[in-house]
Amino acid sequence: GQQLNQSPQSMFIQEGEDVSMNCTSSSIFNTWLWYKQDPGEGPVLLIALYKAGELTSNGRLTAQFGTTRKDSFLNISASIPSDVGIYFCAGPHNYGQNFVFGPGTRLSVLP
Amino acid sequence: GAVVSQHPSRVICKSGTSVKIECRSLDFQATTMFWYRQFPKQSLMLMATSNEGSKATYEQGVEKDKFLINHASLTLSTLTVTSAHPEDSSFYICSARWQGGAEKLFFGSGTQLSVL
Repeated sequence: GQQLNQSPQSMFIQEGEDVSMNCTSSSIFNTWLWYKQDPGEGPVLLIALYKAGELTSNGRLTAQFGTTRKDSFLNISASIPSDVGIYFCAGPHNYGQNFVFGPGTRLSVLP
Repeated sequence: GAVVSQHPSRVICKSGTSVKIECRSLDFQATTMFWYRQFPKQSLMLMATSNEGSKATYEQGVEKDKFLINHASLTLSTLTVTSAHPEDSSFYICSARWQGGAEKLFFGSGTQLSVL
């Protein structure tokens, strides 16, 4: 079935640094969604991408829809402590109603 | 973004009792909602797909008699954990599929269930 992989699994960065993470698949996705989950909360939608090559920003966050349609990237600039959390990528399943989720990238920001 | 409300946020119950969790889309109609279970430090595990007015579709390994799902209106889906046991303790999250054309999924805030 369709699967999403995320890299890195976890990362520790200093406050103020930029962050890059990616999401890859062996199959094509027509939509990429990026979420952030805080402990004990549900995931919150950060950015949605619908077109190959699309680059979309939301404040300090920027995400790109890879041109092969098999990957997407999320960048966070000038990280702050509240960026701590788990970042998930997701996309609608090609053959069903549900969505496929990556395993997540756990981000820790050191002061 | 659209708002999905999930209640309760936390529930503690005795073994053998049933617990109902509600998921409401507050400012949009959702024909399709999803229920997930999440273990600590893991990704979301889809339990079932809930379609308004029809029976839910359960993922392999999820007991439909144990986890009853009802989606009686376009804004409300409920998950009832029947005869709960300690192994049912987990974080349960619902989501609602946006109907506005662009593919999006909005999540509730989750329910932490603890069965004693």
